[in-house]
Amino acid sequence: AQKVTQAQTEISVVEKEDVTLDCVYETRDTTYYLFWYKQPPSGELVFLIRRNSFDEQNEISGRYSWNFQKSTSSFNFTITASQVVDSAVYFCALSEATGANNLFFGTGTRLTVIP
Amino acid sequence: EADIYQTPRYLVIGTGKKITLECSQTMGHDKMYWYQQDPGMELHLIHYSYGVNSTEKGDLSSESTVSRIRTEHFPLTLESARPSHTSQYLCASSGFGVGGNSPLHFGNGTRLTVT
Repeated sequence: AQKVTQAQTEISVVEKEDVTLDCVYETRDTTYYLFWYKQPPSGELVFLIRRNSFDEQNEISGRYSWNFQKSTSSFNFTITASQVVDSAVYFCALSEATGANNLFFGTGTRLTVIP
Repeated sequence: EADIYQTPRYLVIGTGKKITLECSQTMGHDKMYWYQQDPGMELHLIHYSYGVNSTEKGDLSSESTVSRIRTEHFPLTLESARPSHTSQYLCASSGFGVGGNSPLHFGNGTRLTVT
């Protein structure tokens, strides 16, 4: 069975600090997909990134970067030079290629960036 | 840009009432979902649909029901609301990509309070 663990429930950082959100997953599938979503105070979930299990290249998008390591089953998310607008709940999620292909979410990490 | 709409945005209702939460998407996506989000942030899949006339139960048992008569519309109904149904309900849709894992596009959610 699949499982996504986000051990950090809440994190607070001061603006301009870097912060890393951890995500560890479990799956028996060899083909699977990992996602990060952001949920700002307004409530909607915003898609940030998708990574498939065959692509371990790290990705950078502006101040965001993602570190995918199959050896440790981790898909961590780093925000560089954090800003107040980054304050949100961030969810890591997993979708297996077999079965219903539904998305299973971690419990989320609430990030607060203090000005 | 995703176009998925949920109404109402907020709803306060008394115990025993029947309610329907509306969800519509204009992207022609086949797959649609309902998630229930605890006050503690965790997201639980309660229903999903592969397309018209398809409805499936998710991972979390729910007393709600859904229907999918049209591709764009996926309403959720509670026949008799109870305080335990107080939660945020998020609707999402996705197209079919490789392995059926295209990113989910979420609506803004309906925050339901049952008194």
